[in-house]
Amino acid sequence: NAGVTQTPKFQVLKTGQSMTLQCAQDMNHEYMSWYRQDPGMGLRLIHYSVGAGITDQGEVPNGYNVSRSTTEDFPLRLLSAAPSQTSVYFCASSYSMVAGATDTQYFGPGTRLTVL
Amino acid sequence: QKEVEQDPGPLSVPEGAIVSLNCTYSNSAFQYFMWYRQYSRKGPELLMYTYSSGNKEDGRFTAQVDKSSKYISLFIRDSQPSDSATYLCAMSQPGSGNEKLTFGTGTRLTIIP
Repeated sequence: NAGVTQTPKFQVLKTGQSMTLQCAQDMNHEYMSWYRQDPGMGLRLIHYSVGAGITDQGEVPNGYNVSRSTTEDFPLRLLSAAPSQTSVYFCASSYSMVAGATDTQYFGPGTRLTVL
Repeated sequence: QKEVEQDPGPLSVPEGAIVSLNCTYSNSAFQYFMWYRQYSRKGPELLMYTYSSGNKEDGRFTAQVDKSSKYISLFIRDSQPSDSATYLCAMSQPGSGNEKLTFGTGTRLTIIP
């Protein structure tokens, strides 16, 4: 049981380049999410999904796209990278996404992205 | 003003000491309170979860919520070098789920052997 895996671990991009951050979980979790973590800002939610085919925006969605074609995978796409997207990106999953309740989220190890 | 404030530290204490980590918040609707531990270059992991006010104990860790003061604390007894990490508080209100979690910025803790 690998939990939540993320690839790559590190990435350097030039402004304007695009890339996809991969996230996969093997716990059969319905809920998956992407956060970015910046110094002095805490974790901020980018996008989330409550199941295959269902996604929604979080607090800071601009410049990012997501899709969820399977329960296991939830890739995050940067369409045209900007220096402001330099950050550490975490994917997380949880068993359920019950309205009115929180559920334990399991985080991946993160992807450290630098945009020059 | 941020909804959740957390002293970033760094905080250094000798091994065996009692550690107190704190967060204050402004949204009186918050009812669910969590503490996450994040080791260097790793993802956060849930350490403690409490609902509303009161204390919750788990081994060397105690989470305390004081809703009247809008203040939550995490106490670590008999601190160990393995407790060296960044500790994040997080909270949410009824009617919202993980998509509405508000995180603190984290306090970096170092336990000195």
